[in-house]
Amino acid sequence: DIQMTQSPASLSASLGETVSIECLASEGISNSLAWYQQKPGKSPQLLIYGASSLQDGVPSRFSGSGSGTQYSLKISGMQPEDEGVYYCQQGYKYPYTFGAGTKLELK
Amino acid sequence: QVTLKESGPGMLQPSKTLSLTCSFSGFSLSTSGMVVSWIRQPSGKSLEWLAAIDWDGDKYYNPSLKSRLTVSKDTSNTQVFLKITSVDIADTATYYCARILTIAAISFAYWGQGTLVTVSS
Repeated sequence: DIQMTQSPASLSASLGETVSIECLASEGISNSLAWYQQKPGKSPQLLIYGASSLQDGVPSRFSGSGSGTQYSLKISGMQPEDEGVYYCQQGYKYPYTFGAGTKLELK
Repeated sequence: QVTLKESGPGMLQPSKTLSLTCSFSGFSLSTSGMVVSWIRQPSGKSLEWLAAIDWDGDKYYNPSLKSRLTVSKDTSNTQVFLKITSVDIADTATYYCARILTIAAISFAYWGQGTLVTVSS
């Protein structure tokens, strides 16, 4: 299985601060990488697919980048509604696998 | 509008078989490129992909659970089912069904609300 290692496990950001979350795959995944946001008691919401494509309806302050085994999610200007847990997921090879999650809080 | 909704028993005893149903609308699983997956999440933990079935009826399983899983769909292509045999406490989780965005971008764009399954004697 492809292992997805996310960092950091948690972080706290001030309003308007730029935040980055990293995801490292155990082998190359050819940009088949998605990012999700999950709020308490809710289903995950797709933010980014194909490593850098913004899902419809997602604010433009969210962006994704990376290639090969290293990927990142950036939030340009933290907002209160951005609090939650963020997961990366590889769709390159079965079984699809997720990172352990990054808990983002507003400072 | 694409919607999915899971249903299940809520609680069951160890060693029993768990049966889950995913009812969806807004698309047909007979349409080329459509794939529905089952994903679970124990409370406070990350997500685990379990199984998928595609428009052609092909089935894919997580090897870690493969011997216990069976995914299927109905003939009207509006429901997908998952059976997990010999459940134990470790199978306690919220179970989601989700549809991929497109076959070219394996990401889960549409999710059900999830159904909590508790395994307890």
